[in-house]
Formats: sequence, structure tokens, C-alpha cells
Amino acid sequence: DAKTTQPPSMDCAEGRAANLPCNHSTISGNEYVYWYRQIHSQGPQYIIHGLKNNETNEMASLIITEDRKSSTLILPHATLRDTAVYYCILMGSGGSNYKLTFGKGTLLTVNP
Amino acid sequence: NAGVTQTPKFRILKIGQSMTLQCAQDMNHNYMYWYRQDPGMGLKLIYYSVGAGITDKGEVPNGYNVSRSTTEDFPLRLELAAPSQTSVYFCASSYSQGAGATEAFFGQGTRLTVV
Repeated sequence: DAKTTQPPSMDCAEGRAANLPCNHSTISGNEYVYWYRQIHSQGPQYIIHGLKNNETNEMASLIITEDRKSSTLILPHATLRDTAVYYCILMGSGGSNYKLTFGKGTLLTVNP
Repeated sequence: NAGVTQTPKFRILKIGQSMTLQCAQDMNHNYMYWYRQDPGMGLKLIYYSVGAGITDKGEVPNGYNVSRSTTEDFPLRLELAAPSQTSVYFCASSYSQGAGATEAFFGQGTRLTVV
């Protein structure tokens, strides 16, 4: 059962903001929203995570709706190097809830 | 700080042979994971461990075995290799004390071909 739903692909112009949506309508109260990305042939790379508040770091911003049923990852100024598959993942607290399972993700293509 | 180290980077196996993929982390992480990624596909979880001496199956455990005798090491054993096990294998680690987990760090991958 897929716990998150993401569009299979998106395009973005270089220098513009990339907004990647994720639906997680069955999220539990103790589940965090994590975002990872995988650039071709490399191991996945952590981007950001949050529980219910919006989060920002040097790579991206994470906006989580008040009901926590969806979230958006924002890359403020996309570059060609941001072309990758982006994964939205839910992880709970402790034990098997941390088994970090990847779905199909969104292929973001940044165009010059 | 080496992070997560996988060896070997590349390997060709003949059908029926066995091998162990090594994974070591030096970050004192309690969680470790093994994934496989077939060409053009997503990552599938093979096995994971929440600490030394504790392992559990992921989505695709058949044909593989793991052990976690130390915090640092999490080897993946392939017995009787089959062409269907041709894939890129990634090891990862993370840390959790109960509420949320740190970012997971991934190794550079092992590219395995079974012929």
C-alpha cells in the first residue's frame, strides 16, 4: 500500500522555484514527512524532514498543511544539478517504523 | 569521517556462486538498511536492522541473508546467485532515539551482475 502519492514527473525552468507536491492523507500523528532525492546512479540524499511545522534549511523548504494530509517541497532557485528523482516518505517513531521505504517518487527535470 | 562505506564497488558473479556485500558506518548509527535498485526502477528494501543483534525483513528479502554483530557493520549475503539478483545495492544508516530519525546516509553502491 502506497502511503504517499506523488506525480511521476515535473518540469521546472532553471532559476525558478520548483514546487513538488506529496499527498499523505492517511498519515498518523507520530509520522514525520521526509524528503530524499536521487541523482542518477548515486545513493539517495537527504533533503529535509518535518512533523507539522514548516521547515527550511540550506537546500529547501518543506510546507506541511495544517491537517498534515499533504506537503510541498520547495527548491527556491532550481539549477540543472537539481534534476533528480524526489521521494516523499513517511516515518514513524521507533522500531520498524523507521524502515525507510521508498515509493516511486517524482522525476524533476530542470530545463535551461 | 568516512560515512557509509560499501565494498566492493563492482562485482560479476556466476549463477550459483555466493558472495557477501560489505557495509560499514563510522557514525555510531543504530539503524542500518540494505536496498536494491534495478535499472530504471525505485529502491526496494531488502533487510534492515534497528541495532546490533536485531534484523528484520524488508520488501524483497528472498535470496539474501544479513547479520548485525556490531553497530558498525551490516553485511549482506547472497547465496546461490541468480540473474534476477543483478542490481545496484545500496547500504544506508541513520540514528534514532525514538522521536524522529536523523537523515539517512547512503553508501556509493555496489553494482552486481550475475551471469
